[in-house]
Amino acid sequence: ETGVTQSPTHLIKTRGQQVTLRCSSQSGHNTVSWYQQALGQGPQFIFQYYREEENGRGNFPPRFSGLQFPNYSSELNVNALELDDSALYLCASSLVGGEDSPLHFGNGTRLTVT
Amino acid sequence: GNSVTQMEGPVTLSEEAFLTINCTYTATGYPSLFWYVQYPGEGLQLLLKATKADDKGSNKGFEATYRKETTSFHLEKGSVQVSDSAVYFCALRNQGGKLIFGQGTELSVKP
Repeated sequence: ETGVTQSPTHLIKTRGQQVTLRCSSQSGHNTVSWYQQALGQGPQFIFQYYREEENGRGNFPPRFSGLQFPNYSSELNVNALELDDSALYLCASSLVGGEDSPLHFGNGTRLTVT
Repeated sequence: GNSVTQMEGPVTLSEEAFLTINCTYTATGYPSLFWYVQYPGEGLQLLLKATKADDKGSNKGFEATYRKETTSFHLEKGSVQVSDSAVYFCALRNQGGKLIFGQGTELSVKP
């Protein structure tokens, strides 16, 4: 089975720009969630998608938005980038949204905002 | 609210030493508890989990027991190897499905 893959691996953007990060879920998984991991910190939950609908959101502003496609791949979009958005962005997929379904993480996209 | 607190790192050990990384949590309800490991330049890998009180999760020589009375899920390994050097994250997951992570503990094992 293929794992969770994310692209690109690294990205440099300028403050005020927009960025799109992409994620392909593990085969058979229908739920995807995104996390932001600042340097030296634990990952913070951004939001979760199930059946193409957002069904949970963390404490992030509306300029963080997402999409999930029928093939369960996903995008994270961030508008009006700020310096503090520099972080590792992790995508995770699972079979369902329940607590016993383990999350499988990709290797992340390292975003640097200058 | 729900939260996870881990012991601060870095933790530096010699090969074959005993490892303990402390983790305590605050949660409503009955969350599942997890340990994830992150090797340099990589994403998170699930190391072990426990879904109810007194459950013991184990994998690759690592163990952790879900202690409801002390709200703890400490990670232990009897004999660490250089290859265990990584950052370890304790996390909880409730009915909402999202993971709440601790701040991570860096482990460095010297030969």
